[in-house]
Amino acid sequence: GAGVSQSPSNKVTEKGKDVELRCDPISGHTALYWYRQSLGQGLEFLIYFQGNSAPDKSGLPSDRFSAERTGGSVSTLTIQRTQQEDSAVYLCASSRLPPGTGSSYEQYFGPGTRLTVT
Amino acid sequence: GNSVTQMEGPVTLSEEAFLTINCTYTATGYPSLFWYVQYPGEGLQLLLKATKADDKGSNKGFEATYRKETTSFHLEKGSVQVSDSAVYFCALMASATNKLIFGTGTLLAVQP
Repeated sequence: GAGVSQSPSNKVTEKGKDVELRCDPISGHTALYWYRQSLGQGLEFLIYFQGNSAPDKSGLPSDRFSAERTGGSVSTLTIQRTQQEDSAVYLCASSRLPPGTGSSYEQYFGPGTRLTVT
Repeated sequence: GNSVTQMEGPVTLSEEAFLTINCTYTATGYPSLFWYVQYPGEGLQLLLKATKADDKGSNKGFEATYRKETTSFHLEKGSVQVSDSAVYFCALMASATNKLIFGTGTLLAVQP
């Protein structure tokens, strides 16, 4: 079946502009995750959704970052007033059920959105 | 806090050589441990996992054993191929959390 998809694949924006990144998880996956991969910081967790709620937002680096998920499916990560340090690859992942339920919790990753802030 | 430390790369090997990529972790409780691989131009893929002490994860000829006494999860393969060239990430998921904590990644380059 279809994997996790993300759009756009590449985004170049000017400093100070807002950007929206989209993630379509695998159908039927209730858990959705956002990570960021950057040269200086490696792979970092940003936020986790279970259904439409976000029980763990601990990785969001500042209040310029926000995310929402609607209908238990598509998620949007929004970065306001972008800064050069926001340049990174933003990865989305989904899994069938969260850990602790006795089911597989393998996270399936999308191809990422490469964000460049000039 | 929880963290993962893996060996710095790049690791350059000849085809059919033995591979070890070291990974150690710090975590409270009993985390699950993972190796993810990122092939050139592709997304992250789960390579193998282990969910409790002494478990051995294996896939595509790669193996890693969850060693609680040494807090390690070293990745090994007996005979690497050029197609194994990729970046390998060790990761943990602490109990009662839902997020993966990754190491910095190790670039493996296999030469024919």
